[in-house]
Amino acid sequence: GAGVSQSPRYKVAKRGQDVALRCDPISGHVSLFWYQQALGQGPEFLTYFQNEAQLDKSGLPSDRFFAERPEGSVSTLKIQRTQQEDSAVYLCASSLEVAGGQETQYFGPGTRLLVL
Amino acid sequence: GQQVMQIPQYQHVQEGEDFTTYCNSSTTLSNIQWYKQRPGGHPVFLIQLVKSGEVKKQKRLTFQFGEAKKNSSLHITATQTTDVGTYFCAGPYNNNDMRFGAGTRLTVKP
Repeated sequence: GAGVSQSPRYKVAKRGQDVALRCDPISGHVSLFWYQQALGQGPEFLTYFQNEAQLDKSGLPSDRFFAERPEGSVSTLKIQRTQQEDSAVYLCASSLEVAGGQETQYFGPGTRLLVL
Repeated sequence: GQQVMQIPQYQHVQEGEDFTTYCNSSTTLSNIQWYKQRPGGHPVFLIQLVKSGEVKKQKRLTFQFGEAKKNSSLHITATQTTDVGTYFCAGPYNNNDMRFGAGTRLTVKP
């Protein structure tokens, strides 16, 4: 079956530009996570959705970052007025059940964002 | 910042040698998960450990969860070139927040 997909796979943005990153989770998966992965580092948690509800956004680095999942399936991570420090791979992951830390997360291929 | 520490950061081995990576958490974990990320790829789930002192094996891979549920290890016996990649441990904090270690990058010389 289809896994988690993300688009675009690569994005080059000029500093100050807004970007939108899309995640299509595995169909039927309740939980959806966004992570930011800097080069040579592990994924860092950004935000979590249970269906359409954003239950945790404690990892979003600033108010320039905004995520939504309006119908409980596809999610969009938006970054406004991008800065060079936003350059990273943005990973989306989904899991079947409600997050309690015990569910396998299936990761998408990521979107590699480069801000010039 | 991350609360899960992994060592070593890099490991280069000759094919056939063993490899171990260690993971330590600042707090007790309900479970720990291990992921593998190939170069240019995304993290892929390997295993989850839940019980104190648990040991699980997957072919040449052996995973352990410490008695205090604050540390874990992954051991690969007789490495192969297909084992190349970065191995991450991850543990849950505050229910939804999965914290990943910085990973151990394994390279294997044939």
